[in-house]
Amino acid sequence: GNSVTQMEGPVTLSEEAFLTINCTYTATGYPSLFWYVQYPGEGLQLLLKATKADDKGSNKGFEATYRKETTSFHLEKGSVQVSDSAVYFCALSDQNYGGATNKLIFGTGTLLAVQP
Amino acid sequence: KAGVTQTPRYLIKTRGQQVTLSCSPISGHRSVSWYQQTPGQGLQFLFEYFSETQRNKGNFPGRFSGRQFSNSRSEMNVSTLELGDSALYLCASSREGGYNEQFFGPGTRLTVL
Repeated sequence: GNSVTQMEGPVTLSEEAFLTINCTYTATGYPSLFWYVQYPGEGLQLLLKATKADDKGSNKGFEATYRKETTSFHLEKGSVQVSDSAVYFCALSDQNYGGATNKLIFGTGTLLAVQP
Repeated sequence: KAGVTQTPRYLIKTRGQQVTLSCSPISGHRSVSWYQQTPGQGLQFLFEYFSETQRNKGNFPGRFSGRQFSNSRSEMNVSTLELGDSALYLCASSREGGYNEQFFGPGTRLTVL
C-alpha cells in the first residue's frame, strides 16, 4: 500500500541555518504531496503542496519539489527562525482507494527545534 | 472565512464510558475526515464522510463510528472506551471531489482514565 517515510527527529538547528527534512513515498499512480506543520497544542496547518511531478510547492520561505524519479518530496528552508520550531508532517493523497477520497497518509513527523 | 471548529477541546472519561466529539467544517466544504493522533501510532485515518455518507474507512474497531449531517457538520462516537483510546482526535474538511488538501481543526484531546 501507499506509505510515507520521513527522517527521524528531532532536528536541532541554530537560527538562520539551512533546513532539510527528507521525505520519500511509496505509491501507485500519481498522488498529490503535502507538507503540514503542527505547533504545540494545535492542529495541523497546510504548509505547501504539489500535485504533479516536478511541481514546486512553496510558502513562508519553505519549498519542496515533487520528484517522481526519486519518489521524494524533501522540505527545505534557507534560513530558519525560532518561530519555525514545530513538528512537520509529510503526507500523500491515497490513490489506492477505489473511489474519490480526501484521505491523507502521513509520515511519522519530524520535530524541528531552532535555537536562538 | 472561519476555520474548522471542534468541540469540546478537552475531555476526560473513564473506561467503559462512551464519548461524542463534534466537528464543524469550513463553510462550503462537504467532505469531513477524522484522524487519531497518538505518540506511538502517529496520525491514523478513522473515516471520511461526504454528503452524509461514509465513503472511506480506516482500520479501527466498530466501537468507533461517525455520522454527518445535512449541514456537513460531523460527529464521531467512541463506545466502551479503553485506555488506549486516549489521543488527540483531529477533524479535517475538504472541498468536493478527491485528493484535495485537508484543513484541520485544533483537535479534541481525549483522556481515558
